[in-house]
Amino acid sequence: DGGITQSPKYLFRKEGQNVTLSCEQNLNHDAMYWYRQDPGQGLRLIYYSQIVNDFQKGDIAEGYSVSREKKESFPLTVTSAQKNPTAFYLCASSTTGDGTDTQYFGPGTRLTVL
Amino acid sequence: GESVGLHLPTLSVQEGDNSIINCAYSNSASDYFIWYKQESGKGPQFIIDIRSNMDKRQGQRVTVLLNKTVKHLSLQIAATQPGDSAVYFCAEAISGGYSTLTFGKGTMLLVSP
Repeated sequence: DGGITQSPKYLFRKEGQNVTLSCEQNLNHDAMYWYRQDPGQGLRLIYYSQIVNDFQKGDIAEGYSVSREKKESFPLTVTSAQKNPTAFYLCASSTTGDGTDTQYFGPGTRLTVL
Repeated sequence: GESVGLHLPTLSVQEGDNSIINCAYSNSASDYFIWYKQESGKGPQFIIDIRSNMDKRQGQRVTVLLNKTVKHLSLQIAATQPGDSAVYFCAEAISGGYSTLTFGKGTMLLVSP
């Protein structure tokens, strides 16, 4: 998992609540990413950020929001607008935002909506 | 942790065998390819990558082969060990500017002692 940490490891949420997942990296990477993984599926990109104070929507951004106020941190908020939020959430970072820079992943957060 | 391998293609091998995991990629413009290994309940780990100016690249016990003509990528693992049991993902990207990685659905490798 390198220098990327995600917390908490497990998270439970009641329907209608917003919840924020933490991602921190000490690799001095410019780019950070959030992915969602469902059982039997590959990773789908939610949001990404190439540089501080800038971020772009990925393929499945609806119902999610992010911020990038610090280089080291890229928190993801799962809002009540996300209809099916139960999933495994993975954060990654890379040196730059070029697609050919190797992305290194954190250990993940498993979110369950009760 | 919950398995990420439900409903995935599965390759079952015996310890010591060589394993070959295949991946068909979708974009003929992709020029960078990467393999990740994901153990149950953990984040993906980088294994090896290859750029389109190469057909083959070797690492420790692993080899990646790229066939651009048929848009096919394979990961060969020599002398497979029980610790190699995991889900393996290929991903593709286009270099230059910014592009995101596109991941395949993955293959589960099961190694029996």
